Order: sequence, then structure tokens, then C-alpha cells
Amino acid sequence: GAGVSQSPSNKVTEKGKDVELRCDPISGHTALYWYRQSLGQGLEFLIYFQGNSAPDKSGLPSDRFSAERTGGSVSTLTIQRTQQEDSAVYLCASSPRRNYGYTFGSGTRLTVV
Amino acid sequence: QQQVKQSPQSLIVQKGGISIINCAYENTAFDYFPWYQQFPGKGPALLIAIRPDVSEKKEGRFTISFNKSAKQFSLHIMDSQPGDSATYFCAASLTGTASKLTFGTGTRLQVTL
Repeated sequence: GAGVSQSPSNKVTEKGKDVELRCDPISGHTALYWYRQSLGQGLEFLIYFQGNSAPDKSGLPSDRFSAERTGGSVSTLTIQRTQQEDSAVYLCASSPRRNYGYTFGSGTRLTVV
Repeated sequence: QQQVKQSPQSLIVQKGGISIINCAYENTAFDYFPWYQQFPGKGPALLIAIRPDVSEKKEGRFTISFNKSAKQFSLHIMDSQPGDSATYFCAASLTGTASKLTFGTGTRLQVTL
């Protein structure tokens, strides 16, 4: 596609439920990143995928968070047993190679009630 | 060691004026410094980036000034326009390793008529 596509654009969920957020990167981009943006805050790194290498999961805040990337393309970020502090905009980005400018999607706004 | 500090938090500039946003970093190993522009409801978009082997980079009305010894870099927006009203984020990363970006907390710029 022409850009990074994220779905859903908005998600409201009850505390304790699991959610899945999807990212479709730009075709051919080998690097994919997930960031979290809380209200009034900067972007917090979550996880990074590069080709077939093991992902860098160093930013995941707890074991309730996980992500996978299938076939080197689509990625899914899963949050289990959601908490109110998980409410944020989750942004996905891709780049054609490591150490190159990111293209961000418009994000998924997650609200945990 | 991984922090990037950004100031000011918000900025109001008259149309035609110069907008200046400053960032300071701690990790001397950082060697890639991009600026991102974010409009409401959208993901951040890469605006301009610099590497530490140069002290200044200009693209149109946007200029990055880089001071390696002071570990500071800044974004100057010349002839600021109402369409420049957005949130601006500075960031930094290491090359040669996973290219996750460390972001500043953002500056909300408002350009008035």
C-alpha cells in the first residue's frame, strides 16, 4: 500500500479484556516498529522487527504485551488483561532498512474503561 | 543515559516569525537526530534529520543546528506559517544497532495570524 495502515483506528475495551492491534507496513519495508504515545507524552518504544532477526522486545512494559510479525509483513500487537494505564495511542512504523527514516501509521487509539 | 530532553513544551509564534525548538541528549553514542512533525489524529512524519558530522542542515524553511560538544540540537522554522501549527518531536538513535528512536516529549507549536 501507499502508507502504513493500522486497524482499528479506535478501540474501546473493558478492563481485563484482551485486545489485538494490527499493522500493515509499506510493501517491501523490512523493519517494523511499535511505539506507544500517551496523552501529552513523547513516543515510547515497544518492539522492533528487522527481517528474519529475533525482535528487540526491550521496550515491552510487561509480559501482558506481545507482538508478532507474520511472513515479514503484517504485525499484530496483543495486550492481555488490559489495564486503564494501557490507554494510549499505539503507533506502528516501518522503514525500508535499519537506520532509515520511519513512516508512521495514524495509530490505534486504545481506551480501557 | 538514553534520555532526550526537549523544550519548550509549547510555543506561540506570529506568522512570519522564527520558531525555535531545542533538544539535549545524554548518550554521546547517538549519531542520528531526526525531527518529526505530528498533526492531530495523524502519526508523526519525518521532517528533517542530521548526523553529527555536520553542524547544520537546511531544507526549505526548516533548519537543524547541531552542537556536538554541547550535546544539543535545535529546529528552526523560518517564516513560520499557520500550517506549521503542529506538535514537533526531536529524536535520537544509534546506528549499527537496532535503530529504535528515543523521542523527546514534544513541542506544541501554534502559529498565529
